[in-house]
Amino acid sequence: KAGVTQTPRYLIKTRGQQVTLSCSPISGHRSVSWYQQTPGQGLQFLFEYFSETQRNKGNFPGRFSGRQFSNSRSEMNVSTLELGDSALYLCASSLNPEQGTEAFFGQGTRLTVV
Amino acid sequence: AQSVTQLGSHVSVSEGALVLLRCNYSSSVPPYLFWYVQYPNQGLQLLLKYTTGATLVKGINGFEAEFKKSETSFHLTKPSAHMSDAAEYFCAVSGPGYTGNQFYFGTGTSLTVIP
Repeated sequence: KAGVTQTPRYLIKTRGQQVTLSCSPISGHRSVSWYQQTPGQGLQFLFEYFSETQRNKGNFPGRFSGRQFSNSRSEMNVSTLELGDSALYLCASSLNPEQGTEAFFGQGTRLTVV
Repeated sequence: AQSVTQLGSHVSVSEGALVLLRCNYSSSVPPYLFWYVQYPNQGLQLLLKYTTGATLVKGINGFEAEFKKSETSFHLTKPSAHMSDAAEYFCAVSGPGYTGNQFYFGTGTSLTVIP
């Protein structure tokens, strides 16, 4: 059974640009969550999607957006990149978080903004 | 208020010594509890979880954790540390007592193993 796949693994962008990150969840998982991880802030929740609907959103500016497709694959987009957006972005999928199923994480996308 | 508190952002132990990483949750209703491990530039890997049933949970790599409702704790232990245990460890909660269908993570504990 394939795990959670995130592409690309590494990305370097310039301030002001936009970026799109992709996440393919484990087959059958309809819940996909995104997290931003930085040394100073730890794991910060961005948003969670379930069956193409955003159910939860963290405290991030509107520059951060996401979507989920009918096959449960998800993308997140960051527009007008800032230096502070440099981070490891992690995607996680879960079968049924409200029933106690665990989150499975991808290896992350390391975004560097210069 | 913090949903999950991990006491000690850095813990150092000698190889072969007991590992104890602390985690406390804040909800009045027992949540689902998880411990994850993260190696540099990698995603998080599940060590163990508690949902219901036996309060002592055994996980991978010799780790275990005990859910103590009276102390609202879910501390992670390993009897004998190995060099390969050096990593970042995260406690997480979800479910009852927490809003939304999301996982709430602690700030992490970096474990150093001294040879």
